[in-house]
Amino acid sequence: GAVVSQHPSWVICKSGTSVKIECRSLDFQATTMFWYRQFPKQSLMLMATSNEGSKATYEQGVEKDKFLINHASLTLSTLTVTSAHPEDSSFYICSAGSLGGSSYNEQFFGPGTRLTVL
Amino acid sequence: AQKVTQAQTEISVVEKEDVTLDCVYETRDTTYYLFWYKQPPSGELVFLIRRNSFDEQNEISGRYSWNFQKSTSSFNFTITASQVVDSAVYFCALSGPSGTYKYIFGTGTRLKVLA
Repeated sequence: GAVVSQHPSWVICKSGTSVKIECRSLDFQATTMFWYRQFPKQSLMLMATSNEGSKATYEQGVEKDKFLINHASLTLSTLTVTSAHPEDSSFYICSAGSLGGSSYNEQFFGPGTRLTVL
Repeated sequence: AQKVTQAQTEISVVEKEDVTLDCVYETRDTTYYLFWYKQPPSGELVFLIRRNSFDEQNEISGRYSWNFQKSTSSFNFTITASQVVDSAVYFCALSGPSGTYKYIFGTGTRLKVLA
C-alpha cells in the first residue's frame, strides 16, 4: 500500500513553455502533499507544502508565481513550472502524507520527474 | 531548530566490507521520528526504516542494522557485507510530532561499493 505516482517521469521542454507534473496517491487519501526539488548531488529541497482545498505554503525563496501548485483532491496534486528556463532543470519529487490519525509521521514518495529545459 | 547532519559526503568500500553511515540530529521535540532512505541512480527514494523517539531498540533487517542513541542524538546505519547493489545515496531524515509531516533531510552520503 501507500503508493504515490508521478507523471511524467521525465520531460524535455523548450525555454518559455510551461510544464505540469502530476502527483497521485494511488491507494490512500492524502490531505497533505509535498513538492521537493533536487539538484545533482544535492539533497532534497522542500519547495512547498500542499493541503487539499487550500493554498500551498511555499518555502522561503521559492517563487509561488513560478511554481504553481494545485491540490484539488485528496489524491491529486499538480506542480506547474511556468515559463520554464534552463535553470529550472532539476529532479522534482512529490510526496504524500497519509490521511490523519496515523501513528507515524510518514511521507510516501513518488518516483520523481526529471525536467530538462532547453 | 531541527537539523540533520550527515558528515560523510562520500564513502567508498570494497565489496563484502562493513560500512556505517552516520546521522546526527537536533530537535527540541520530545516526540519525533527518524528515517533512512536509499536513493539509487534511478532517483526514486526507497524507504528503509522509521523509528520513533520512544523506541531506542536497535533494529536489524538482513544485512542492514540501525543504532539509535538518544544520548548522542544519533541514528547510524550499518551495512554488513556490502554489495555493489548497495551503491546509492543514503539520506537520513527527521520529522516532528504527529500531524506535522514535514521532514528535515540530511545532505546525504554517497556510498560506492567496489567489486
